[in-house]
Amino acid sequence: KQEVTQIPAALSVPEGENLVLNCSFTDSAIYNLQWFRQDPGKGLTSLLLIQSSQREQTSGRLNASLDKSSGRSTLYIAASQPGDSATYLCAVSGDSGYALNFGKGTSLLVTP
Amino acid sequence: DTGVSQDPRHKITKRGQNVTFRCDPISEHNRLYWYRQTLGQGPEFLTYFQNEAQLEKSRLLSDRFSAERPKGSFSTLEIQRTEQGDSAMYLCASKADENQPQHFGDGTRLSIL
Repeated sequence: KQEVTQIPAALSVPEGENLVLNCSFTDSAIYNLQWFRQDPGKGLTSLLLIQSSQREQTSGRLNASLDKSSGRSTLYIAASQPGDSATYLCAVSGDSGYALNFGKGTSLLVTP
Repeated sequence: DTGVSQDPRHKITKRGQNVTFRCDPISEHNRLYWYRQTLGQGPEFLTYFQNEAQLEKSRLLSDRFSAERPKGSFSTLEIQRTEQGDSAMYLCASKADENQPQHFGDGTRLSIL
């Protein structure tokens, strides 16, 4: 059974800092990996999708990397802003490519 | 593209009642997913449709849970004889094909009294 772990569980940083969120998964036979953002009481917003054949994806201040063989992904956020405060979730889909297995998330607080 | 729409946003009901939630996916997305999320946890996969076919339902939590997508467009998730442990956020997602990201709605929050 695929297990997804996210470290740290919570993080507080001052505005302007660069930061890294970590995600690890136990079964390297994944189809793709997706990073999401979730604001309190809301659904999930897709940030980045990395196919199993890719090493990284970038969108604006966000960069996600994937090392499938070691079962790891990182989400790098550059020049953090208070508006980045949210819970960030990592999810992987298996060979069948449909069900996403989620970690518990990293709760990020960016202080002004 | 108006995004994934879920209705209602909140549902409060007494234990033992039946509840039904609706999800309208992004138009032309033929894949639709249901998840459940409890406090402090990531979403947990429940079931999956491709068009009107339910291709995976073994992860539905019990036989009290059922889902339909009769015409391959909107979907409903029903919980019969609700229990306290059913209190959670129920999320719907859709995507266009295997290589696209899943897009989520804002969920239906269920509270069982």
